[in-house]
Amino acid sequence: DIQMTQSPSSVSASVGDRVTITCRASQGISRWLAWYQHKPGKAPKLLIYAASSLQSGVPSRFSGSASGTDFTLTISSLQPEDFATYYCQLANRFPFGGGTKVEIK
Amino acid sequence: QLQLQESGPGLVKPSETLSLSCTVSGGSISSSSYYWGWIRQPPGKGLEWIGNIYYTGSTYYNPSLKSRVTISVDSSKNQFSLKLSSVTAADTAMYYCARTDYSYYYMDVWGKGTTVTVSS
Repeated sequence: DIQMTQSPSSVSASVGDRVTITCRASQGISRWLAWYQHKPGKAPKLLIYAASSLQSGVPSRFSGSASGTDFTLTISSLQPEDFATYYCQLANRFPFGGGTKVEIK
Repeated sequence: QLQLQESGPGLVKPSETLSLSCTVSGGSISSSSYYWGWIRQPPGKGLEWIGNIYYTGSTYYNPSLKSRVTISVDSSKNQFSLKLSSVTAADTAMYYCARTDYSYYYMDVWGKGTTVTVSS
């Protein structure tokens, strides 16, 4: 089975900081990786699909990239509304990553 | 605008079957462009994909839940449903339904979620 290892599990950052979250697949995979933002009491929100495509309506400070089995979500300049938990998922028949909680420093 | 709405009992007894429905509005569940699926989040834990169904009835389940899960579709009602048998306290979670793109496999439309507690 393919496993997705997401890191870090949490990060403390300030408004304006650049934040990078990584998911590593246990074996070579396609680019069908998506990133989601999840806030307490709300449904998860799609940010990035196909590793690097920005979902419509999502601010351009969010970006995704892929290199081999490593996938990265970058928030270029953290905004107050970005404090949340972020998950990766390879395609949609596979487990989600463990999540990264972005907290206020 | 497509919307999904989960419905079902909020409390289920241990060993019984959890049953939830997801009603799709603003679009057709019979579209060839999408799967329809279920995801859950136990308290304090991460997201867990449960399974998907295509409008043809083809299903795909999380191997860890496969023996207990049944997802079905009712095109006449524009609904799809989840049944999870032999529940325990570990099945207590927020349950979400979501639409999944058939080509790129991302979940772009989600229901608001419904809380299910397993307790006697």
